[in-house]
Amino acid sequence: AQKVTQAQTEISVVEKEDVTLDCVYETRDTTYYLFWYKQPPSGELVFLIRRNSFDEQNEISGRYSWNFQKSTSSFNFTITASQVVDSAVYFCALVITQGGSEKLVFGKGMKLTVNP
Amino acid sequence: DTGVSQDPRHKITKRGQNVTFRCDPISEHNRLYWYRQTLGQGPEFLTYFQNEAQLEKSRLLSDRFSAERPKGSFSTLEIQRTEQGDSAMYLCASSPPRDAYGYTFGSGTRLTVV
Repeated sequence: AQKVTQAQTEISVVEKEDVTLDCVYETRDTTYYLFWYKQPPSGELVFLIRRNSFDEQNEISGRYSWNFQKSTSSFNFTITASQVVDSAVYFCALVITQGGSEKLVFGKGMKLTVNP
Repeated sequence: DTGVSQDPRHKITKRGQNVTFRCDPISEHNRLYWYRQTLGQGPEFLTYFQNEAQLEKSRLLSDRFSAERPKGSFSTLEIQRTEQGDSAMYLCASSPPRDAYGYTFGSGTRLTVV
């Protein structure tokens, strides 16, 4: 199966706490792409990061960081010093090739609530 | 670049009625995707166009659903004889020729069937 598992469904933290969102993926492709998206209450999917399977370097962007480990098939996302504006549903996704075309397969999402 | 536009943002319809949604992708994007997102779930792939050709349809897309992209620009998704189970957010995404994975998503159309 080619799928993404986000085991946590909901997390609530207090502002300024660090929080890590877990993502585990399964794929039979040797080359693949992983994504993280943020979905605020308004509904649009906001792109956060894309990572291909050749690049295992961790990435940091401001308060956001990502840890990609092929050995454990994980692509975890950490928010440092969380803020109320980080409250949203976060999705991890994988591009799969199936049925002759490529499409995104999403996890079920993790709802993050940051309380003041 | 105005992003991917979807219209309407919200639609409430009675069971059995037909509804049509529109997606306007970014102008130079040749690939267009429709996804459906039900409450508490991640988006699920429905269908994919490359230019005007519909290259794949998910098994989720029953025969009550039809999608078109007649001139390779905007796309429409029609649902006939709506059912309560069709209530969901319908998301459109597009990507450009030189970056197939450079997806941009629209804000979605939230459908409620009563």
